[in-house]
Amino acid sequence: GDSVTQMEGPVTLSEEAFLTINCTYTATGYPSLFWYVQYPGEGLQLLLKATKADDKGSNKGFEATYRKETTSFHLEKGSVQVSDSAVYFCALSDLEGAQKLVFGQGTRLTINP
Amino acid sequence: GAVVSQHPSWVICKSGTSVKIECRSLDFQATTMFWYRQFPKQSLMLMATSNEGSKATYEQGVEKDKFLINHASLTLSTLTVTSAHPEDSSFYICSARDGLVSYEQYFGPGTRLTVT
Repeated sequence: GDSVTQMEGPVTLSEEAFLTINCTYTATGYPSLFWYVQYPGEGLQLLLKATKADDKGSNKGFEATYRKETTSFHLEKGSVQVSDSAVYFCALSDLEGAQKLVFGQGTRLTINP
Repeated sequence: GAVVSQHPSWVICKSGTSVKIECRSLDFQATTMFWYRQFPKQSLMLMATSNEGSKATYEQGVEKDKFLINHASLTLSTLTVTSAHPEDSSFYICSARDGLVSYEQYFGPGTRLTVT
């Protein structure tokens, strides 16, 4: 079945550092790819998405490019802030049928001032 | 917009009792709701998908008689954990989607269940 693998956390960085969180997937067909963020005490929020190969999703300074050849959707940000501290989930969904989300295991990110 | 609430946010119950968790879409009509379970330091695992007015579709390995899901209205779905046991202790998260508008799922903040 479909699956998503994320780099293991936790990840700790200093403010203004460059961030990369790796995500690779296995899927039949052509899924859509997502990054969700979960801030402490809150529900998951959609951070960005890409629906086809070579699409780049971006939001709040975060970017991820749908790479079909490497089955990857790595999350990047050029300069992180303390407020970016959260748990980040990579996910995929087949837009056909029930459109269920399959999540990676999540990566906890802590940014120190 | 697109807010989903869950109640309660945490609950402690004794082994053998049943617990009901509510999931509400506050500002949109949720044609589809999803229930997930999250173990510590692990991913969200989909338990079931429910469409308003019809029976839930459970994922493989999820006991439908133990985890009763009701989606009686376009703004409310409930998950009842029946005859709870300590191994049912977990973080339960719901999401909702207005399938007529988009495929995006909006997530509730989750419910921490502890069975003693």
